[in-house]
Order: sequence, then C-alpha cells, then structure tokens
Amino acid sequence: AQSVSQHNHHVILSEAASLELGCNYSYGGTVNLFWYVQYPGQHLQLLLKYFSGDPLVKGIKGFEAEFIKSKFSFNLRKPSVQWSDTAEYFCAVKGNNRLAFGKGNQVVVIP
Amino acid sequence: GAGVSQSPSNKVTEKGKDVELRCDPISGHTALYWYRQSLGQGLEFLIYFQGNSAPDKSGLPSDRFSAERTGGSVSTLTIQRTQQEDSAVYLCASSFQGGNSGNTIYFGEGSWLTVV
Repeated sequence: AQSVSQHNHHVILSEAASLELGCNYSYGGTVNLFWYVQYPGQHLQLLLKYFSGDPLVKGIKGFEAEFIKSKFSFNLRKPSVQWSDTAEYFCAVKGNNRLAFGKGNQVVVIP
Repeated sequence: GAGVSQSPSNKVTEKGKDVELRCDPISGHTALYWYRQSLGQGLEFLIYFQGNSAPDKSGLPSDRFSAERTGGSVSTLTIQRTQQEDSAVYLCASSFQGGNSGNTIYFGEGSWLTVV
C-alpha cells in the first residue's frame, strides 16, 4: 500500500519569506502525486499535480513542486508567501484506486 | 452541478443513532470516493466506487459503516449505531475517471458529524 510522509507539521513564517514543505512517498507502481490545500473553513482544493513529463510542476497561486524519483520526494515550494497562504497543505499519492494523504502541514503566515 | 455537493453540512446526533450522509458528485464523474478527516488521524480513505463495478470497501473501519451509490451518481454513507469516535468530517470526492489515472479528484465541503 502507498504512504506519504510530511515533515514539520506546524510552520510559522512571515510574509515574503520562502516556503518549502517536504513530502516523501512510498509506492511501487506508476506515481501520480498531488498537493492539496485547505484554507480555513474551506474544502480541499488542488494546488498542483504530477503524473508524467516535466518533474517541475507549476500550480496555482505561485506554488511549484519538484518530483525527484531517486529521493521519492515531491516537495512543495513558494518563493514569497502571503498572509492569504495561511492554510493546511496535504501531499498525496494515488495508487490502488485511491489517494493516500500525508498528515498535512499547518502553515501560518504572519503579516 | 458546479462541484461536489454534500448534505447535511452539519449533523449532531446522539450516540447509538443511525446517520445518513449524502453526496452528489460532479456530473459525468464516474469515480466517487468517501474519506474521513479527523484531528490526529488526517484524511482516511473509506470507500471507492467506479461506475457499475463492485466498490472497494477496504477502508471502512467497521461493519457499522456502509455506502451505496445509486444509478452511478448520488451516494449515501450510512453509519449505524454511532459512537463518539465517529465524530469527524466526512468528505466526498469525485473524478472523471478512477483507477490510477492522473485525473484530478475534486472534494466536497464535507459533512461535519458530531456524536454526543
């Protein structure tokens, strides 16, 4: 079965700082990887996804992620965060007909 | 509809009662998923429906949990004899195609269940 590990569950940073969230996965099949975001009081929304091609994936709101096969990683980055990026971020790997999620990163951006 | 629709958005029930949660997926989506989101447990897979195929029920935590999908569209998740540990947000999601495709899975806003 697939699994996802996310580190640094709570992240606090100031506006304009850079953000990087780590994600490591375990799955033996073809890899489809996702980052979802959940803003306070809202539902899960897709930030970006990778399933083939260029390992550097660009998503909405200035986010990007890089798939590194040799490291089983799919880290999320944003060069300069805004207060509105305060949210919980979930990495997920698809396999066996389902998404397996990590525990999430709670990110708080201080104005 | 424009997105995955779930009802009720909030439900408070007494321990031991049965509850039904409804999901209306995005029109044309053949794959439908139920997840549970609770503090400390993250997002747990419950069940997956794909078209008219037999559902993958491997994530259901006990035999008190069941789900149906009628006509390949609307789904109902039923929890019988609710327990306090069933308190969570129950999320429904759908996608155009299931399996291990790269199709995006879209989530509803969830049904917040509180068992008192």
